[in-house]
Amino acid sequence: GQNIDQPTEMTATEGAIVQINCTYQTSGFNGLFWYQQHAGEAPTFLSYNVLDGLEEKGRFSSFLSRSKGYSYLLLKELQMKDSASYLCAVWNYGQNFVFGPGTRLSVLP
Amino acid sequence: GAVVSQHPSRVICKSGTSVKIECRSLDFQATTMFWYRQFPKQSLMLMATSNEGSKATYEQGVEKDKFLINHASLTLSTLTVTSAHPEDSSFYICSASGLSGNIQYFGAGTRLSVL
Repeated sequence: GQNIDQPTEMTATEGAIVQINCTYQTSGFNGLFWYQQHAGEAPTFLSYNVLDGLEEKGRFSSFLSRSKGYSYLLLKELQMKDSASYLCAVWNYGQNFVFGPGTRLSVLP
Repeated sequence: GAVVSQHPSRVICKSGTSVKIECRSLDFQATTMFWYRQFPKQSLMLMATSNEGSKATYEQGVEKDKFLINHASLTLSTLTVTSAHPEDSSFYICSASGLSGNIQYFGAGTRLSVL
């Protein structure tokens, strides 16, 4: 089986930096994705990590450690519009794609 | 690029009727399409995976006779909720991959309400 864990909720202040963690236990790992989902809308793709290390894309960065089964999404210079759910998803061999429970981020002024 | 269109965005129907939801990749060929279901304040639950021209692979606990999936072309997949009941009311989201490896691009979702 597989298990993906994320904090349920986080709160941060506008302009700050926040790190959202994701831990996973799986077999046949083939990549990890981060998606952003605003309430009532479909998820939008943020990042994809298949190798260890940090991938930076503007204000968002994603890190992966395959040996530790750990990833994080780092959001810098937080804006009010960043208030959303952030979903970690793991892709396994055999096209088995599983989403974590999601982290609801609230950005306060 | 990577636009996925899902239609309708919202549907209200009577119990016992069937509802068809369409998912189209507009600017790329989707080798694989996925159907998810999401309840309020919960994460996405994968219902099934479909490859063009072959039968869909359903996740455990998802009734294939209840949720009919057809992936007739590289740009279109449909989900039909047959004999819908109030407990089928949910947010259904499709996604497609094929443009950039395993990255899934999502449609806008369909909110189904069964009365």
